[in-house]
Amino acid sequence: GDQVEQSPSALSLHEGTGSALRCNFTTTMRAVQWFQQNSRGSLINLFYLASGTKENGRLKSTFNSKESYSTLHIRDAQLEDSGTYFCAARTGGNNKLTFGQGTVLSVIP
Amino acid sequence: EAAVTQSPRNKVAVTGGKVTLSCNQTNNHNNMYWYRQDTGHGLRLIHYSYGAGSTEKGDIPDGYKASRPSQENFSLILELATPSQTSVYFCASGGGTGGSNERLFFGHGTKLSVL
Repeated sequence: GDQVEQSPSALSLHEGTGSALRCNFTTTMRAVQWFQQNSRGSLINLFYLASGTKENGRLKSTFNSKESYSTLHIRDAQLEDSGTYFCAARTGGNNKLTFGQGTVLSVIP
Repeated sequence: EAAVTQSPRNKVAVTGGKVTLSCNQTNNHNNMYWYRQDTGHGLRLIHYSYGAGSTEKGDIPDGYKASRPSQENFSLILELATPSQTSVYFCASGGGTGGSNERLFFGHGTKLSVL
């Protein structure tokens, strides 16, 4: 079965507001990576976490390997934040990343 | 940001034809990967490699071969293309040595249509 369950599948935010995206893992993961896929289809690196929390501008991500989840918080959303957000996680002992299904984020004026 | 270059960006192929997708990275990364992206499935791993001369099967390898002739280059080969292989293909590279070196960096993708 799927090892990475991402939610919600779609989200609409008004400019200036915020929300959280979540990934739940059905097996122990040792690291998680978050990407934004923009309108041109490019995958942009946002965060890589083996544990704890990282913050970059209006984005913040947390990875809790014990409780098997990761979150991506977006605050003060801007139009250019629109796109599809993917989490991808790495199980112990191999170099493969397994992707979630993605969250389609629409930021509306 | 690490650079991964894919070619071609777009490809139209005929059923039964041979297709080769190329990927080049200049980051001296050990690991390289081929994924495909389809609506409703996210990105799925086809083949990957730990270094020159190595190829490993990913989660959906059927109908695909891979070749890693050098540290920099990793090709995906469709010997007999089928319409079900119409997709967007992404190549990625990563250091694979632990910690943040394990981050993957992706190319811009190749849109393949098999008619």
